[in-house]
Amino acid sequence: IAGITQAPTSQILAAGRRMTLRCTQDMRHNAMYWYRQDLGLGLRLIHYSNTAGTTGKGEVPDGYSVSRANTDDFPLTLASAVPSQTSVYFCASSVDRGDEQFFGPGTRLTVL
Amino acid sequence: GEDVEQSLFLSVREGDSSVINCTYTDSSSTYLYWYKQEPGAGLQLLTYIFSNMDMKQDQRLTVLLNKKDKHLSLRIADTQTGDSAIYFCAESFHRYSTLTFGKGTMLLVSP
Repeated sequence: IAGITQAPTSQILAAGRRMTLRCTQDMRHNAMYWYRQDLGLGLRLIHYSNTAGTTGKGEVPDGYSVSRANTDDFPLTLASAVPSQTSVYFCASSVDRGDEQFFGPGTRLTVL
Repeated sequence: GEDVEQSLFLSVREGDSSVINCTYTDSSSTYLYWYKQEPGAGLQLLTYIFSNMDMKQDQRLTVLLNKKDKHLSLRIADTQTGDSAIYFCAESFHRYSTLTFGKGTMLLVSP
């Protein structure tokens, strides 16, 4: 793989179910980010990680959790999905915090 | 809190110039960015400008910054149909702070 990938591409999920969105980068970037994109609201930061082993909360962290066990992977988990979490989710990475961010192709999630 | 505002839609004809505007509220914003999102894809950094600059030109792209009015613009010369996309303005307080994005401007270029 080259760059940053996300899986799945899209998903329809029943409310109350647990879901993990996957993000993997092979650029050895230290920093990684999760955003959600909603019509009329633009992009909002959910969680970020400056380096493996550390994570931080963004603008809209409630209902989401992340982990950064290694440099390459930064999964986003919805413990109990709700319809308001219907959105397009983008993962991004950068060499270090503050450097240019490279975005994945996105995951379209629908919670019914 | 920080806020970044953009107009939602712009339509131009191929060959014309496009100007996408952005205003921000945080006067301490140091880094200002323009990202492009093509249909079905993630965001791609187009260009950026530091707050101590007034203008930056990169091929067909010109970024103008009016720090007094907290106004940022992106001019695309000789706009092509391939420029049709959503353009996001973003700002950060310093290099290591998180980005605040605007809601995006959809640019539609007609032949």
